[in-house]
Amino acid sequence: SYELTQPPSVSVSPGQTARITCSGDALPKQYAYWYQQKPGQAPVLVIYKDSERPSGIPERFSGSSSGTTVTLTISGVQAEDEADYYCQSADSSGTYKVFGTGTKVTVL
Amino acid sequence: QVQLVQSGSELKKPGASVKVSCKASGYTFTSYAMNWVRQAPGQGLEWMGWINTNTGNPTYAQGFTGRFVFSLDTSVSTAYLQISSLKAEDTAVYYCARDFELRMRAAAGIYYYYYMDVWGKGTTVTVSS
Repeated sequence: SYELTQPPSVSVSPGQTARITCSGDALPKQYAYWYQQKPGQAPVLVIYKDSERPSGIPERFSGSSSGTTVTLTISGVQAEDEADYYCQSADSSGTYKVFGTGTKVTVL
Repeated sequence: QVQLVQSGSELKKPGASVKVSCKASGYTFTSYAMNWVRQAPGQGLEWMGWINTNTGNPTYAQGFTGRFVFSLDTSVSTAYLQISSLKAEDTAVYYCARDFELRMRAAAGIYYYYYMDVWGKGTTVTVSS
């Protein structure tokens, strides 16, 4: 089955930039979406269509895409950004959705 | 406001069944499909599948066929997830999430992309003897 691969963890100091990658063979054909999940809470959409930000999401969250890798960037990380982040996309046919393996962002 | 309200936590014995509900409000229920997502303790998100709220036609992800059933009651804007023959490994938080359709026009035609824009708070199902 199709898989999206993320690094298990990323550590960053407050005010610095965190970058989280997500790799998958179908990413050139399918958009990627990013969700933030804090402990005990439901996921929240932070990026859609590779790089678009939903209303209410801070500008420090941005997304980009290059070939088989998409990247979520958090600029000027704040303590409140400490969370798990999941990319999500679909297989090449678009029939089946898939989540990435998840990345825990720790703010030092 | 758009909201998905899920039913409360469940404690079940192995072999039993459970039915989780997800009640939508703030939008036209049949205008958006519904996804189901599982998260086992300490694990990542797993997409279980989705149900077309117009036709009732479900699509199940690999690993979620047989014991898992998606259903609807459109009269009360509610989606359901039923799991039968429960096992300890079914212990998880189950989320419903609205499916947003993105339409993109290209030279070759119109392309459709789907993502989950609104989530319920989750229902914890614990399977233990």
